[in-house]
Amino acid sequence: DAGITQSPRHKVTETGTPVTLRCHQTENHRYMYWYRQDPGHGLRLIHYSYGVKDTDKGEVSDGYSVSRSKTEDFLLTLESATSSQTSVYFCAISPSSSTDTQYFGPGTRLTVL
Amino acid sequence: AQSVTQLGSHVSVSEGALVLLRCNYSSSVPPYLFWYVQYPNQGLQLLLKYTTGATLVKGINGFEAEFKKSETSFHLTKPSAHMSDAAEYFCAVSDSPPGGYQKVTFGIGTKLQVIP
Repeated sequence: DAGITQSPRHKVTETGTPVTLRCHQTENHRYMYWYRQDPGHGLRLIHYSYGVKDTDKGEVSDGYSVSRSKTEDFLLTLESATSSQTSVYFCAISPSSSTDTQYFGPGTRLTVL
Repeated sequence: AQSVTQLGSHVSVSEGALVLLRCNYSSSVPPYLFWYVQYPNQGLQLLLKYTTGATLVKGINGFEAEFKKSETSFHLTKPSAHMSDAAEYFCAVSDSPPGGYQKVTFGIGTKLQVIP
């Protein structure tokens, strides 16, 4: 298994509070991604990173920001959480070699009350 | 633009029966195609992938899929279902070449139930 951890694994918070989710990898892979998973929608890309301090938006980036100050860490921040952001969040990584596969972390279940 | 359609959000099969999970895609360039499996409370795990070459792809746990360009399909099959196959399966497509940022589009998933 690819060395990817996510923290916290579960979180319950209230509307309007800031929340930060962390993804940590030990594989030294260049690319990192944040997805959210919702019933009926599959996985949708929020943001991705192609290197330290290099990030870009995905298809559902509104209300989210990211940061990557080190190769191994990719942070997802909800500046002011809303109930529509209740979801399961997955981090994924992929190397810059010839492979095309993304490897996923175990996920974080976030509930916004 | 790329997209994926998985036919059937829930599929039930008897233990020992054939598993067939359907996936159709659209892509403006030759696609890379993937099947992932997700067990309860876990992340996604790659089952198999098609990039180039042989159109019949074999994956883990006895699963295989066939890339049919004329039908724009990449259906997942397993000859004999096992109870441990109960999970959610996601088909995905990418038009990104290997080695760079992977823009992957996922289907909505198919939950497979295996009946004893």
